[in-house]
Amino acid sequence: NAGVTQTPKFQVLKTGQSMTLQCAQDMNHNSMYWYRQDPGMGLRLIYYSASEGTTDKGEVPNGYNVSRLNKREFSLRLESAAPSQTSVYFCASSDGRGTLAKNIQYFGAGTRLSVL
Amino acid sequence: AQTVTQSQPEMSVQEAETVTLSCTYDTSENNYYLFWYKQPPSRQMILVIRQEAYKQQNATENRFSVNFQKAAKSFSLKISDSQLGDTAMYFCAAVSNFGNEKLTFGTGTRLTIIP
Repeated sequence: NAGVTQTPKFQVLKTGQSMTLQCAQDMNHNSMYWYRQDPGMGLRLIYYSASEGTTDKGEVPNGYNVSRLNKREFSLRLESAAPSQTSVYFCASSDGRGTLAKNIQYFGAGTRLSVL
Repeated sequence: AQTVTQSQPEMSVQEAETVTLSCTYDTSENNYYLFWYKQPPSRQMILVIRQEAYKQQNATENRFSVNFQKAAKSFSLKISDSQLGDTAMYFCAAVSNFGNEKLTFGTGTRLTIIP
């Protein structure tokens, strides 16, 4: 079982460059999420999607855009990368609201992004 | 809005000993879920244990158990017979069942198991 797959695993960008982080899940989950992880700050939610065709801002959305392409895929785009966006990015998915089991989030392996 | 606080940035314990990681949270909801995630050096986030707020019984998963004190809004993780593979960052997290599905994380505790 692949679970949640993120690409790429590592990326180095120059300030002002753009890129898209890809995420796909094969668990038929309704909800998908993008987080960033910075030292001493835990994981912070950037954007999430409760279902195909919907997206909502999280705690730190500025400088990012997302697309829920279909039920499986949820991409995160940096239009003009800044050094402050140097971080580790995680994609996650869950079955959505309801029971405890539905609320469990499953994570990808992360993308380490450096913006110079 | 929810907040999750982990007041122990780092801990270390000898192999085979027991260690307890602290977590407190604040929420206005009555029905919510609590989680502990483990992040080893591989960076992968792994679910360790989960707890439903309306269940009095503390959750247990093999060597991992929680002490859930709802009135005190405390959700500590106990690791018994600690092993070298338990070395990792541990994150406490909370989500409201009737909210917007946003999982709120604490800042983590770095646990080192000493051989």
